[in-house]
Amino acid sequence: SAVISQKPSRDICQRGTSLTIQCQVDSQVTMMFWYRQQPGQSLTLIATANQGSEATYESGFVIDKFPISRPNLTFSTLTVSNMSPEDSSIYLCSVEDRATQETQYFGPGTRLLVL
Amino acid sequence: SQKIEQNSEALNIQEGKTATLTCNYTNYSPAYLQWYRQDPGRGPVFLLLIRENEKEKRKERLKVTFDTTLKQSLFHITASQPADSATYLCALDQGGSYIPTFGRGTSLIVHP
Repeated sequence: SAVISQKPSRDICQRGTSLTIQCQVDSQVTMMFWYRQQPGQSLTLIATANQGSEATYESGFVIDKFPISRPNLTFSTLTVSNMSPEDSSIYLCSVEDRATQETQYFGPGTRLLVL
Repeated sequence: SQKIEQNSEALNIQEGKTATLTCNYTNYSPAYLQWYRQDPGRGPVFLLLIRENEKEKRKERLKVTFDTTLKQSLFHITASQPADSATYLCALDQGGSYIPTFGRGTSLIVHP
């Protein structure tokens, strides 16, 4: 298993500002994933972050809006840039189960409200 | 287009009864299907995984079935308890990746 923490747990931000979300894992992992979960919606994958390489973004998400860092095997950050109210959501990071590589462990999420 | 459907209406049941949640999908050929539990303010927690060649999987009070002909999975909680109240998400993976696609989830409310 893996224990994942995220900071901040929640925030209220003004339109046009940026917020950086941190994700820390208690063990070394190859891939980390960032998801968005809007109210009443399913989890949507934003990007996959591998250590030592550029993140891979899913359709509809771009690096300028959601820059990601992955400086080592236990840590990643996601920045939500130039925020608008439409960015209000829960942002979750996750890692794969190293043993099975079939399931994921999720962090507690960051609840973001943009005014 | 690919679609995963879970009942958007909350399922309300009495304590002790069996809760049954449904996950239907179209235009997928999943190698396996997973069920997760999500509590308010928390990230999803993995519960069970069932492969395409398996009909049924059990874990304690949980049972999952997988019918690739009907393109449907059923998730059962027997002897339900108020502590089982949560949102349950199904997720499909077509294999070869660590990245499943999630449904919207169904809220389960177990009344004492």
